[in-house]
Amino acid sequence: QKEVEQDPGPLSVPEGAIVSLNCTYSNSAFQYFMWYRQYSRKGPELLMYTYSSGNKEDGRFTAQVDKSSKYISLFIRDSQPSDSATYLCAPESSGAGSYQLTFGKGTKLSVIP
Amino acid sequence: DSGVTQTPKHLITATGQRVTLRCSPRSGDLSVYWYQQSLDQGLQFLIQYYNGEERAKGNILERFSAQQFPDLHSELNLSSLELGDSALYFCASSVDGGGRTGELFFGEGSRLTVL
Repeated sequence: QKEVEQDPGPLSVPEGAIVSLNCTYSNSAFQYFMWYRQYSRKGPELLMYTYSSGNKEDGRFTAQVDKSSKYISLFIRDSQPSDSATYLCAPESSGAGSYQLTFGKGTKLSVIP
Repeated sequence: DSGVTQTPKHLITATGQRVTLRCSPRSGDLSVYWYQQSLDQGLQFLIQYYNGEERAKGNILERFSAQQFPDLHSELNLSSLELGDSALYFCASSVDGGGRTGELFFGEGSRLTVL
């Protein structure tokens, strides 16, 4: 079993829809959970992150972590064509004095006008 | 623009050859990370340097090596190239390498094609 599993999609939704993107993970030691967004032909950029279990909201985006089920979610409200990108979940682990991100494979999202 | 510069953007070479990818981190960032991104494996961590010293190693092949220079730029050397090495190679930087990863700032990547 991979440490982080993410449905690659592609996911296509109409403009204005609510989008739900999800990851599961196996490492109980993960404490911080990042979401990166990657536009075509660009490097990933940090969208938002949460610590431990709970929700965090930032504008139209809500990140949710359920550590009991090892489930990570990103919700996008009122989706826009500009949200079309690949979304990568990236939990963070620590060890030997270093912290590392483990990236999911990413879900490709298309928001159709 | 993340502030991380990678060169070259595209590279086509033959099997068995050696290439060097270069990365200049954001001004002030001490940590440099190298990642490989392919369709089947996703974004895989290769290696991290912090202020010139190797800090962590991931899934980096023995044919690959990296270093970080005193001016903090980094180079990733790929040798004895195989078809399977064709991928996007990303460099990322962050302010701190000893504490939490925090936010990684990625360059636009170097696309390597091995024929």
